[in-house]
Amino acid sequence: DAKTTQPPSMDCAEGRAANLPCNHSTISGNEYVYWYRQIHSQGPQYIIHGLKNNETNEMASLIITEDRKSSTLILPHATLRDTAVYYCIVREGQGGKLIFGQGTELSVKP
Amino acid sequence: DADVTQTPRNRITKTGKRIMLECSQTKGHDRMYWYRQDPGLGLRLIYYSFDVKDINKGEISDGYSVSRQAQAKFSLSLESAIPNQTALYFCATSDPLAGFSYNEQFFGPGTRLTVL
Repeated sequence: DAKTTQPPSMDCAEGRAANLPCNHSTISGNEYVYWYRQIHSQGPQYIIHGLKNNETNEMASLIITEDRKSSTLILPHATLRDTAVYYCIVREGQGGKLIFGQGTELSVKP
Repeated sequence: DADVTQTPRNRITKTGKRIMLECSQTKGHDRMYWYRQDPGLGLRLIYYSFDVKDINKGEISDGYSVSRQAQAKFSLSLESAIPNQTALYFCATSDPLAGFSYNEQFFGPGTRLTVL
């Protein structure tokens, strides 16, 4: 079973920041938080991952709470092309499998 | 050219038929995976392989088999297809040498399979 809980859907205005929450209250010390997204029936695409510290790359930022029980993916300036299902996944750093939950369907509106 | 390709992209078949879905990759990755996705649900892992001689069952392997013919090829077979195997199937690859924590998986475009 997926070890994360996400809201089923969210809306965001184009140009605004999209903040997608994820709860992973049973995360263990050696497990990383990964985010993927899937644009309408295409293969999922990796976005970002982290262990303890906040992370940022060209696509997004990942904020992990100090107790690591929750995290937030931030798309700083959402565009219409960011409309997708976003999956938050907890997995072991080495050899761990990706267990996808149902994700959050983000709709970016003009 | 795509790094991870899947054939066929769409397939309609009948109950009881044997079906093979093929995945090829040019990324040079050792690890390959097969997932299925049902409408409105996330992906579920069927089988995975960490190298040519390694095959492992995932969450939902019953009714499926796989073959890792080479580093670049990983095939999924349905020996006797049934309607509840109608789904979108994805192949993925990853590189274990990319770093301890960094295990990004690269997905193919998917195969839409319908079993009548």
